[in-house]
Amino acid sequence: GNSVTQMEGPVTLSEEAFLTINCTYTATGYPSLFWYVQYPGEGLQLLLKATKADDKGSNKGFEATYRKETTSFHLEKGSVQVSDSAVYFCALSALSGAGSYQLTFGKGTKLSVIP
Amino acid sequence: GAVVSQHPSWVICKSGTSVKIECRSLDFQATTMFWYRQFPKQSLMLMATSNEGSKATYEQGVEKDKFLINHASLTLSTLTVTSAHPEDSSFYICSARASLNQPQHFGDGTRLSIL
Repeated sequence: GNSVTQMEGPVTLSEEAFLTINCTYTATGYPSLFWYVQYPGEGLQLLLKATKADDKGSNKGFEATYRKETTSFHLEKGSVQVSDSAVYFCALSALSGAGSYQLTFGKGTKLSVIP
Repeated sequence: GAVVSQHPSWVICKSGTSVKIECRSLDFQATTMFWYRQFPKQSLMLMATSNEGSKATYEQGVEKDKFLINHASLTLSTLTVTSAHPEDSSFYICSARASLNQPQHFGDGTRLSIL
């Protein structure tokens, strides 16, 4: 079946530090890959996505590249801010065993950025 | 951008009460809606998928009679937790998608607390 594995948190960084959150996946076929962000007490917001190999998704200074050879979609940001503190979920969309497209989420990585 | 509205955002009620949560797509027609449950510090667990006008498809282990889902129109789906008990306390999040090749958009979630 489809699965997503992302690095366990929590991750604590100082403001302006470099961020990497690792994400790898297993899936049948050719999935689309996503990063979602969840701020405290809120639902999920789509941060970025990539739909095919070598695509790079980017938004708000965050980037992730779809690497088919390593089945990875690592999230990076060059300089984090306190406002980036949130839980980040890696996800894939692919055909499920039931024959429909569903999102499969990783367990989430909590990021805390301190001034 | 696409907006999904979920209501109520927080509900506290006594054990044995039935609780209805609404999920509306405000600026697009959602052919498919999803209901997730999220436990503290954990990822989202898909409960069921519903297509407008059809019966919902429940994931393994989710009680159909306990969690009633109705998707009567292209902009509204409801989740009713029947005879709720303390173990049903959780954060419930809905998601909506216009079509297969469109991303899922998430509501802000409903925190359900059963006393």
